[in-house]
Amino acid sequence: DQQVKQNSPSLSVQEGRISILNCDYTNSMFDYFLWYKKYPAEGPTFLISISSIKDKNEDGRFTVFLNKSAKHLSLHIVPSQPGDSAVYFCAAKGGGVSGAGSYQLTFGKGTKLSVIP
Amino acid sequence: DAGVTQSPTHLIKTRGQQVTLRCSPKSGHDTVSWYQQALGQGPQFIFQYYEEEERQRGNFPDRFSGHQFPNYSSELNVNALLLGDSALYLCASSRSGVDTQYFGPGTRLTVL
Repeated sequence: DQQVKQNSPSLSVQEGRISILNCDYTNSMFDYFLWYKKYPAEGPTFLISISSIKDKNEDGRFTVFLNKSAKHLSLHIVPSQPGDSAVYFCAAKGGGVSGAGSYQLTFGKGTKLSVIP
Repeated sequence: DAGVTQSPTHLIKTRGQQVTLRCSPKSGHDTVSWYQQALGQGPQFIFQYYEEEERQRGNFPDRFSGHQFPNYSSELNVNALLLGDSALYLCASSRSGVDTQYFGPGTRLTVL
């Protein structure tokens, strides 16, 4: 069973507009969330993260929102640029009892973002 | 400041063989994690090494083993390769006590 879900396999956005990528999770023990961007034939590149004690974190054009009650997070990219075209992965880090699951990252399957010039 | 490096870039093996993949962490990092990424999937956690010991393990069989050296670099070994082991193997490093992991470019393993 998938604990981190990215339900949209792909998303197309016009250059200059806002891109919103969504992620849902089921494990309430997750205490830290991250977004990574991945180009073909490269490893994932860290973008932005948020602790479970916060509801928003902003870094330049990237903002992550966390809604703990809904177990939902989203990544907003404003304005979107053609260079943002990549696969975006949502990941969660656990804080389970006795440290179980406390170090690993659990990933969604990714959303492919295409920014159209 | 060098990031996470991995070698080799690509590798082709046949079923039943053994393979060793290598990873050097980002400068200042002491923790190394390994992930397997199959086509169309997100990375799956294999295990994490800290202070030269396996600190946590994901749902992978004992054919997958690893090692961390005193300089914090790490190896991933896979024995008795199966066709299903074909994937991109990613190494990630982090600093103890810091949650963010930084990934290397990966090693593409093909098992024929």
